[in-house]
Amino acid sequence: DTAVSQTPKYLVTQMGNDKSIKCEQNLGHDTMYWYKQDSKKFLKIMFSYNNKELIINETVPNRFSPKSPDKAHLNLHINSLELGDSAVYFCASSPDSKYEQYFGPGTRLTVT
Amino acid sequence: AQTVTQSQPEMSVQEAETVTLSCTYDTSESNYYLFWYKQPPSRQMILVIRQEAYKQQNATENRFSVNFQKAAKSFSLKISDSQLGDTAMYFCAFMKGTSGTYKYIFGTGTRLKVLA
Repeated sequence: DTAVSQTPKYLVTQMGNDKSIKCEQNLGHDTMYWYKQDSKKFLKIMFSYNNKELIINETVPNRFSPKSPDKAHLNLHINSLELGDSAVYFCASSPDSKYEQYFGPGTRLTVT
Repeated sequence: AQTVTQSQPEMSVQEAETVTLSCTYDTSESNYYLFWYKQPPSRQMILVIRQEAYKQQNATENRFSVNFQKAAKSFSLKISDSQLGDTAMYFCAFMKGTSGTYKYIFGTGTRLKVLA
């Protein structure tokens, strides 16, 4: 009965590769988000989607492309991975963008 | 730009005692939401408590309560009867935006260690 799930939980890859992280929520929420948590634990929003429509797009390199096939899924694709992309990426969802967000378990991405 | 400041990078407390984590924020908006999240070593982000800015009454959730001072832009978290399981990073978050564009702005976190 996992509410917000992410796959994979750990991802180790080399510079220059392309990788995807998947997120699914079974809460029936309309809004989903991607956050990046850096090595100093600082959390910053990257994107938000509402009913498959991109709402928030922070200053993120265009190597990062979110895709929402339906309102229960929000995937994150990263092209040409760089060392600085190493971080924990969190997916979250909320019933409406102004309510509290429920987070997935995070994906630790390590780029070598 | 809105900012959220947590001035205590690390704190420790003895089991069963009370500890207060501080958070201040900067905004020119009158209506907003404030949250505290807990991130234990498992790295899962867990909502602890939420406060609507238009409500004067401080929110409480079991052993967790807040001291919300709107004029001072302060939102501290009090943990009573601290337990070992409270050991975690605690993040204060400010939610701002207009309809459909709300987003969190997080503080830098306070690492809390509960000592046996």
